[in-house]
Amino acid sequence: KNQVEQSPQSLIILEGKNCTLQCNYTVSPFSNLRWYKQDTGRGPVSLTIMTFSENTKSNGRYTATLDADTKQSSLHITASQLSDSASYICVVSEESGNQFYFGTGTSLTVIP
Amino acid sequence: KAGVTQTPRYLIKTRGQQVTLSCSPISGHRSVSWYQQTPGQGLQFLFEYFSETQRNKGNFPGRFSGRQFSNSRSEMNVSTLELGDSALYLCASSSRIEQFFGPGTRLTVL
Repeated sequence: KNQVEQSPQSLIILEGKNCTLQCNYTVSPFSNLRWYKQDTGRGPVSLTIMTFSENTKSNGRYTATLDADTKQSSLHITASQLSDSASYICVVSEESGNQFYFGTGTSLTVIP
Repeated sequence: KAGVTQTPRYLIKTRGQQVTLSCSPISGHRSVSWYQQTPGQGLQFLFEYFSETQRNKGNFPGRFSGRQFSNSRSEMNVSTLELGDSALYLCASSSRIEQFFGPGTRLTVL
């Protein structure tokens, strides 16, 4: 069964600190993996997209890693800011490109 | 390039009523998907339309329906609204590789 699991479910960190969010998936055949940031009450916004051959991709203070062998991905946030408070969603798509599998997200709260 | 637009942004209805939500995808995208998002449930897939045809369907009752027009714009309809239908309804426009979400329609059923 194709699934995407994220951990932790929620996280609270101090402003300026780093954090790492995890995503494990069983989706096969794999096409790509995306991380989205969703602010409360708004639609998700894409942070990174990674295909099978990519191990690391950065977008400013966000760095995503992908290990296609172990089917794991992580999103590392450096020097967190209050505006990073949001839900982070991992989405994996099948090779066909027609099916997207969503994790339930990690709720990140950055406190001053 | 304009992003995905959804109308209306907010909606309040009462139980038993019906509602229609609209989504305009990114120009050139032929795939439009709809999702329901409620606190604690994450994103739940409703259905996907591609070139005016429903290509995939999630596990929702028949009260939820949709359609897509020749210009790729899509509408979602919910009939006989229930309190549990209160949610953020998101539309996503897809290319082969990536999916772009609209801002969502916040539906409140009283």
